[in-house]
Amino acid sequence: QEQMVESGGGVVQPGKSLRLSCAASGFIFSTYAMHWVRQAPGKGLEWVASISYDGGNQMFGDSVKGRFAISRDDSRNTLYLQLNSLRTEDTAVYFCARSTPRSIATFDVWGLGTMVSVSS
Amino acid sequence: QTALTQPRSVSGSPGQSVTISCTGTSSDVGGYNSLSWYQYHPGKAPKLMIYDVTKRPSGVPDRFSGSKSGNTASLTISGLQAEDEADYYCCSYAGSHIYAVFGGGTKLTVL
Repeated sequence: QEQMVESGGGVVQPGKSLRLSCAASGFIFSTYAMHWVRQAPGKGLEWVASISYDGGNQMFGDSVKGRFAISRDDSRNTLYLQLNSLRTEDTAVYFCARSTPRSIATFDVWGLGTMVSVSS
Repeated sequence: QTALTQPRSVSGSPGQSVTISCTGTSSDVGGYNSLSWYQYHPGKAPKLMIYDVTKRPSGVPDRFSGSKSGNTASLTISGLQAEDEADYYCCSYAGSHIYAVFGGGTKLTVL
């Protein structure tokens, strides 16, 4: 059964950092590009970051560029998102998602998400 | 990175059909056929319903169908069922720098 489980969310003060993890199972993690998508309270989904299957290419949304970093550890089947210089507007549920190699920007497996709350 | 435009809400009675629109620009929806739709029940994982504008993943009922004309894509749900009540999001590939852009989401209510 293909699944992903996010962890690492919590309450953090503005300007601080947090690292999210996404543990994957049931598929060959190292062959898939992986992504983070978030949903702020009362808002829609927002693509945050992507990393290629080999880690060589990374992309970020404008709102997080320069503050967030994405990485992967294929030996642990785990995706990471390092959140730095956090702002109140980064408060959201963060989902990890897998993209199918059949179609670019198509997310075929998702986790349940982990909540990040940025507040003083 | 401007979100695609979706209606905030749509509704329909069981057995009826509803269509949800998703409007973008020639830089996203109109420029690529990598347009997907997701069903989201809060507290659950989003579910892929349609990809590449018209394709259905295995296990998605054929009541769900997709189309696109110019910069606007549409998701049609026919034979509405109570379990279809959810939030629906469209998503488009947006090029090598932005990668993906989502719509603002549409809440479907089954009356």
